[in-house]
Amino acid sequence: DTGVSQDPRHKITKRGQNVTFRCDPISEHNRLYWYRQTLGQGPEFLTYFQNEAQLEKSRLLSDRFSAERPKGSFSTLEIQRTEQGDSAMYLCASSSQDRGRRTQYFGPGTRLTVL
Amino acid sequence: AQTVTQSQPEMSVQEAETVTLSCTYDTSESDYYLFWYKQPPSRQMILVIRQEAYKQQNATENRFSVNFQKAAKSFSLKISDSQLGDAAMYFCAYRSADSGTYKYIFGTGTRLKVLA
Repeated sequence: DTGVSQDPRHKITKRGQNVTFRCDPISEHNRLYWYRQTLGQGPEFLTYFQNEAQLEKSRLLSDRFSAERPKGSFSTLEIQRTEQGDSAMYLCASSSQDRGRRTQYFGPGTRLTVL
Repeated sequence: AQTVTQSQPEMSVQEAETVTLSCTYDTSESDYYLFWYKQPPSRQMILVIRQEAYKQQNATENRFSVNFQKAAKSFSLKISDSQLGDAAMYFCAYRSADSGTYKYIFGTGTRLKVLA
């Protein structure tokens, strides 16, 4: 069990550029979550996958955001035409489907800075 | 919609002393889970303790324990024998037991400082 990993850890981009983040969940976990955390706030839910199916999306996930989990393993979060308001920490978490083992385990996050 | 409130932006505790962090939540559901997560500076969030709402017994994990008051919708975290390594942001989180959603709803966090 190597934990949840995210890549890159930091990303600096210019307004208008596209960025893509990757999340690798704990290997036996079939549920994967994306959250966004801005300075001084708690994480806010963005979207959730069970295996490869995206089952829930927050209203925070505008048309410029898209997430995929093509083979039910790693996931990517893409932000198109970035805006300064997208600057935040993007957190990924994973959990098991088994009852009693649904606690979410978080990765280290990707810190995005949009100039 | 459910909400989680942490009314203490910052708390300080002397090393080896006890501190209690407050959390209240609002929900109309009867079955749910509550969590405390710790986020050290520049490090990832780790689970401190969890509580199932249907269990009346308060959860404990070594030096960490909770005071779960379901009727009052209160879920405070007590840290005993505080250590320097306990310094971090602490987030309270709620998760519905409804099988239709698995998202966590977080509070705004409490920054805990531990004084040597």
